[in-house]
Amino acid sequence: GNSVTQMEGPVTLSEEAFLTINCTYTATGYPSLFWYVQYPGEGLQLLLKATKADDKGSNKGFEATYRKETTSFHLEKGSVQVSDSAVYFCALYNAGNNRKLIWGLGTSLAVNP
Amino acid sequence: DAMVIQNPRYQVTQFGKPVTLSCSQTLNHNVMYWYQQKSSQAPKLLFHYYDKDFNNEADTPDNFQSRRPNTSFCFLDIRSPGLGDAAMYLCATSRGLGGDTEAFFGQGTRLTVV
Repeated sequence: GNSVTQMEGPVTLSEEAFLTINCTYTATGYPSLFWYVQYPGEGLQLLLKATKADDKGSNKGFEATYRKETTSFHLEKGSVQVSDSAVYFCALYNAGNNRKLIWGLGTSLAVNP
Repeated sequence: DAMVIQNPRYQVTQFGKPVTLSCSQTLNHNVMYWYQQKSSQAPKLLFHYYDKDFNNEADTPDNFQSRRPNTSFCFLDIRSPGLGDAAMYLCATSRGLGGDTEAFFGQGTRLTVV
């Protein structure tokens, strides 16, 4: 079946540190991959996406590359800010899986000044 | 400008007392979703509408129902809330069901059952 595995949190970093949040997936075919962000007390927002192998999604300084050979979609940012403190969810969409998003468990990020 | 609006942001209801959560959208999207999210967990899809077509997830309890009277509005009805139904309820919309279609989320309604 389809599944998403994210690194466990919480992740705590100092401002301007480099961020990596690992995400790997299991899926048949060619899923689309997403990172969503949830700020405290808010709903989810799409951060970035990639719809085919080797695509790189990017937004607000965050990047993730769709690696089919390693079935990964790791989220990276070169220099985090306090305002990046949130929960980050990796998700996949596979048209053969009842056409719904499959979510990872989320990784909480806290950035200290 | 908010595009997916959920009301209320916080709802307290009594054990067993029916409660309705509402969601409206200004995006004119075809699809509307309801998710349940418990603390420190991923969102769990309860059901979705594609236009008027209702699609229930197999593991959604019968206690949860939904109505979509028109394109803009969708309601989540919990017929007899239990303590285990306390959660954040998220409404989302998307233009379609394709793999590159972005889902837009509301801010959520946090339900407390007392």
